[in-house]
Amino acid sequence: GAVVSQHPSWVICKSGTSVKIECRSLDFQATTMFWYRQFPKQSLMLMATSNEGSKATYEQGVEKDKFLINHASLTLSTLTVTSAHPEDSSFYICSAVVPWRNTEAFFGQGTRLTVV
Amino acid sequence: GNSVTQMEGPVTLSEEAFLTINCTYTATGYPSLFWYVQYPGEGLQLLLKATKADDKGSNKGFEATYRKETTSFHLEKGSVQVSDSAVYFCALSQIQGAQKLVFGQGTRLTINP
Repeated sequence: GAVVSQHPSWVICKSGTSVKIECRSLDFQATTMFWYRQFPKQSLMLMATSNEGSKATYEQGVEKDKFLINHASLTLSTLTVTSAHPEDSSFYICSAVVPWRNTEAFFGQGTRLTVV
Repeated sequence: GNSVTQMEGPVTLSEEAFLTINCTYTATGYPSLFWYVQYPGEGLQLLLKATKADDKGSNKGFEATYRKETTSFHLEKGSVQVSDSAVYFCALSQIQGAQKLVFGQGTRLTINP
């Protein structure tokens, strides 16, 4: 199957700093990727849709200036958590859909962000 | 809006027991329905899917039937194994295919030998 790689797997940062999370499609080109956030013991919530070569589409309630998304190539989308605060601590997961097989989404392994 | 509700976990069973994880959904029209599984330390993987009413998805001994009349997509397996221990997520997509998924809260399953 298609492989989506996410990096880093975990990161700890200080309040006020920014953290970048990368999502790569290793063996296919993804014009669209998705970023989800998972709170402890809760569901994954879609944050935004990342579109190659254009602005990301954010879900209602997600601060676009806080969560910067860049999809500069067909194999890489990045999520930058700017001026991170402890409430941003969460599990972030990206996914991509293979263009010719859009009935299945492939997920990265997720990134555990802890802001101290 | 669209939503998915799963039975609360954690669920603990003995090996070879019968498994049911309930999932119901709220959506307009005819969404596609999915079960994803997350093994410890790994990303989510598609377990099975169904794209229209009365479809049955199956994989690795797991089954789920798309029941529009009850808006349900319950996951079942006749005889679970220790290796089935994982977190299971029910999800739907209103858009054709697996894009923009709406997830249930996940059910942690532990199988004891």
